[in-house]
Amino acid sequence: QSVLTQPPSVSAATGQKVTISCFGGDSNIGTKYVSWYQHLPGTAPKLLIYDNNKRPSGIPDRFSGSKSGTSATLAIAGLQPGDEADYYCGTWDMSLSTGVFGGGTKLTVL
Amino acid sequence: EVQLVESGGGLVQPGGSLRLSCAVSGFNFNDHWMSWVRQAPGKGLDWVANIRADGSEAIYAGSVKGRFTISRDNAKNSLFLQMNNLRAEDTAVFYCVTDSPGLGMRYWGQGTLVTVSS
Repeated sequence: QSVLTQPPSVSAATGQKVTISCFGGDSNIGTKYVSWYQHLPGTAPKLLIYDNNKRPSGIPDRFSGSKSGTSATLAIAGLQPGDEADYYCGTWDMSLSTGVFGGGTKLTVL
Repeated sequence: EVQLVESGGGLVQPGGSLRLSCAVSGFNFNDHWMSWVRQAPGKGLDWVANIRADGSEAIYAGSVKGRFTISRDNAKNSLFLQMNNLRAEDTAVFYCVTDSPGLGMRYWGQGTLVTVSS
């Protein structure tokens, strides 16, 4: 059971927009920055969003992040077949004093 | 070019030990906190431990506390994870990753597979 809750799967058609939610609590998302990661099987995870809504260099602006209260959202616009991957939210939990991830969301591009 | 290369994974019996290494290049290792993150087969990402840039403090997930030790050698641009008393549930791909405050987990290695089985 993950500390952060994500939907197991989402899907949308090529070119469309999809959002992935991440629900936590006061001790994690409510007080700490959230990051988002893309993970394709057999490869290293990739940082997409950090500090709730910042993109590292090289990440296209099709990827955006937001946070409200104890939840965070990753939005991917203009979906491409190459976006099919697992997506994870992550942050720090002040009560556990550990890093925490969501359980991951598998994105299918139809 | 930023590179993080893990090594030291393999097959070990329950109760055994392994030491993972992560060799870093392409950025100033001394400036970055570092973490180990693992992924068990068919499961999601699981945070294991992190260590401050100067090595002065380390924090562990409850599931590994007392069994795993994270350390670093800034002179050799290397991160380590000593894993003792390994259990079947520790079977996973282990990734080393930079984890400095305000930067997210930015640079990841390709991972090394640890299999705990008799």
